Amino acid sequence: GQNIDQPTEMTATEGAIVQINCTYQTSGFNGLFWYQQHAGEAPTFLSYNVLDGLEEKGRFSSFLSRSKGYSYLLLKELQMKDSASYLCAVRDSNYQLIWGAGTKLIIKP
Amino acid sequence: DAMVIQNPRYQVTQFGKPVTLSCSQTLNHNVMYWYQQKSSQAPKLLFHYYDKDFNNEADTPDNFQSRRPNTSFCFLDIRSPGLGDTAMYLCATSRTGGAPDEQYFGPGTRLTVT
Repeated sequence: GQNIDQPTEMTATEGAIVQINCTYQTSGFNGLFWYQQHAGEAPTFLSYNVLDGLEEKGRFSSFLSRSKGYSYLLLKELQMKDSASYLCAVRDSNYQLIWGAGTKLIIKP
Repeated sequence: DAMVIQNPRYQVTQFGKPVTLSCSQTLNHNVMYWYQQKSSQAPKLLFHYYDKDFNNEADTPDNFQSRRPNTSFCFLDIRSPGLGDTAMYLCATSRTGGAPDEQYFGPGTRLTVT
């Protein structure tokens, strides 16, 4: 079966750095997405990785290792508004998106 | 601004009473998706349209139906809602459904079945 694993919950301090990991086992691979979802709201797109390496976008960076079936989302200079769930999703060989359950990130002052 | 709109934002219905959720988009995207998301769970794809081509997920209950009368609109019909159908229903679009295309989500409809 296809599977995306992420930690259920993480806590970090305002101003710090946090890394949210995602491992996947899917039938084929056509890219990995990270989405942010605030409580009660819709997911919004953060990043897309299809090649190995690091993609940087402001305070957020996303890393991919296809050989290890592994990605992480790195959030720097954390702000209170970053408190949200972060969902990892992989596009499989049929171009379907396989979603993780998300990591709830709690930011403390 | 181009966007994905869902109505209503909140819906309460009684057990067994049919309900229709609507989605419209001004992005002119080919692909539209309906997801069900329960608390702290991954979004679950119910079905999607590539243009007018309807694609039903194998495990989507027959109770759930969908219509896409034109490019801009898509509807989710739940014929006989059960208590287990209480969830957030998310509509999303993507330009072509190809590999790099991200999905754009509407704000969701929170459905409560009593």
